[in-house]
Amino acid sequence: ETGVTQTPRHLVMGMTNKKSLKCEQHLGHNAMYWYKQSAKKPLELMFVYSLEERVENNSVPSRFSPECPNSSHLFLHLHTLQPEDSALYLCASSQDPAGATYNEQFFGPGTRLTVL
Amino acid sequence: KNQVEQSPQSLIILEGKNCTLQCNYTVSPFSNLRWYKQDTGRGPVSLTIMTFSENTKSNGRYTATLDADTKQSSLHITASQLSDSASYICVVSAKTGGGNKLTFGTGTQLKVEL
Repeated sequence: ETGVTQTPRHLVMGMTNKKSLKCEQHLGHNAMYWYKQSAKKPLELMFVYSLEERVENNSVPSRFSPECPNSSHLFLHLHTLQPEDSALYLCASSQDPAGATYNEQFFGPGTRLTVL
Repeated sequence: KNQVEQSPQSLIILEGKNCTLQCNYTVSPFSNLRWYKQDTGRGPVSLTIMTFSENTKSNGRYTATLDADTKQSSLHITASQLSDSASYICVVSAKTGGGNKLTFGTGTQLKVEL
């Protein structure tokens, strides 16, 4: 295991539901990330938190709302999603603040999200 | 625009055979290149990292090469095993004023069969 856990592993929700994805890292890292992985597409960076402050938001729709209450936990709150939001959502963490040169990211197993 | 292209998209080989995966990039200015392995149902795990001055890096049966002049990298897997079945993702880091930006390839899906 990489030291990054995500729950739930699978989630099915309707377009009117509100749900949250949770990520926890046990590595003592300073930066955490949310990625979206769709079939046959590169990973898309959604949000970056460095030392608990959001440092990057890659034009993600407001129906995705991140929260980083401390350096070990990261949430992604979901509401009124669309079917095209169905994907694998990966959380990652890294030792150095986001942007450092040898910024190896350790990924969680992901949450497979299906929006009906 | 920074881009990373990987080939082939998918590959099937017999157990024990070797294979080579390709990664071409147009990322600039270059900082480093990583190869990740992503097993089904899991997140990516880093295999190797190479900076501009390194042209080869090994990790067990995995050997990555980098040609910074032609902006190409390859990942060679020797004596393949069933457990090598996974997606292999090339990730290139670019230096920016605010730090490093990552560009991900779409991955090569490798299947090793008996």
